[in-house]
This record gives sequence, C-alpha cells and structure tokens, in this order.
Amino acid sequence: EIVLTQSPATLSLSPGERATLSCRASQSVSNYLAWYQQKPGQAPRLVIYDASNRATGIPARFSGSGSGTDFTLTISSLEPEDFAVYYCQQRGNWPPYTFGQGTKLEIK
Amino acid sequence: EVHMLESGGGLVQPGGSLRLSCAVSGFTFSFYALTWVRQAPGKGLEWVSLISGTDGSKYYADSVKGRFTIATDRSKNTLYLQMNSLRVEDTAVYYCATRGVLNWFDSWGQGTLVTVSS
Repeated sequence: EIVLTQSPATLSLSPGERATLSCRASQSVSNYLAWYQQKPGQAPRLVIYDASNRATGIPARFSGSGSGTDFTLTISSLEPEDFAVYYCQQRGNWPPYTFGQGTKLEIK
Repeated sequence: EVHMLESGGGLVQPGGSLRLSCAVSGFTFSFYALTWVRQAPGKGLEWVSLISGTDGSKYYADSVKGRFTIATDRSKNTLYLQMNSLRVEDTAVYYCATRGVLNWFDSWGQGTLVTVSS
C-alpha cells in the first residue's frame, strides 16, 4: 500500500499570502496524484488531478506540480474561501486508493 | 451535472448491519465507476470500496473486505453499501462519489453518518 505523507499538518497564513502544501509518496505514483479541498461540514472537492491539472471551476491561483514521489499544491494569493483542509490522493497503485492525512490551512 | 444523495445512516450496535444508499443523477453508470469513501469523526479520508461501471468489478479496502458489499441497481440509478459485522471503528461519515472521465473522485454526495456503538 502506498503511504502519502503531507506536510505541514497545519499552515497558518494571511489572505494574500502564498501557500505551499507538500505530499510525499512512499513509492512512485507517476503523475497519478490529486488534491482535494474540504471545508467544515462539507464533502471533499476535487481541486487538482494528474498532479497539475485544475478541475472544473477551480481558480487559476491554484496550481499543482511534481511527479514520482514529491508533489506540491500552491495557492498563489490566498482568498478567504481557500482556508480549509487539503488532502492528496494517489491512484498510481490501487487498490487501495490512499489519501494523505491532510493539511489544515488556517487564517493567521 | 451529477447529483448524489446518500441515505441509510444511523446508530447500530457492534455486530449489526446497515445498508447505505446513494441516489445518483446525471451520471452514466455503464461508462464510469462509483465509490464509497468514509471519514471518522475529526479524522482524514479513507477509501472503502469501488464498483466498475464497465464490467462490474468490485474492490474493497482490507479494513472492510469480507464484511461490506458494494452494489448498484441501474434501474434505480442507485449505489449501495451493505455493511455487516459492524465495528466501533466503522463509525464515520460515508460519502459516495463518482470516478468519472478524469478517473478521479470528481462528484460527491453530502455524506451520511454511521455510528456503531452499544
């Protein structure tokens, strides 16, 4: 089973700042990595798929990069609605699909 | 646009059974897959099970294999998760989701809470 490790666990930033979230896989998943955003009381929402493609309706301030074992989600200039928990997920070697433990992006 | 609505959650004793349903609209069952993902209170996401729309293949997480069964009824546009021999650690919000053309979980329901407790 591929283990995904996200860092940091919590990221405290202010609106307008740049956010950089990391996800590391225990073995290569090629580019088969996605990022999801989850707000309190809501279902997750697909943000980035195949490491670097924005999902439908996702603003251009969100970008993803990486391949193999190291991946990054970047939010170039934080808006108030971006504060949430972000999960990475892999489908490079499934079953099982696996998720990272999440990074909470909170307002500083 | 895809819409998904889960139902069937509730309180059940350890060792009991429960069947979750997920009504799906705007989605072609034959072409794509449907999946269940759960989230224990205050915890992260855990994939549970997936059923392929093309050939009906079923996949399960080790934590539920042999206890949970995924199924669809295409005539009712509904996804199911039959959960038997429930354990306290199965307590979670259960989400249904589509694995669509992108091969990722791109549409989600709002979730249904399952609580396993005596």
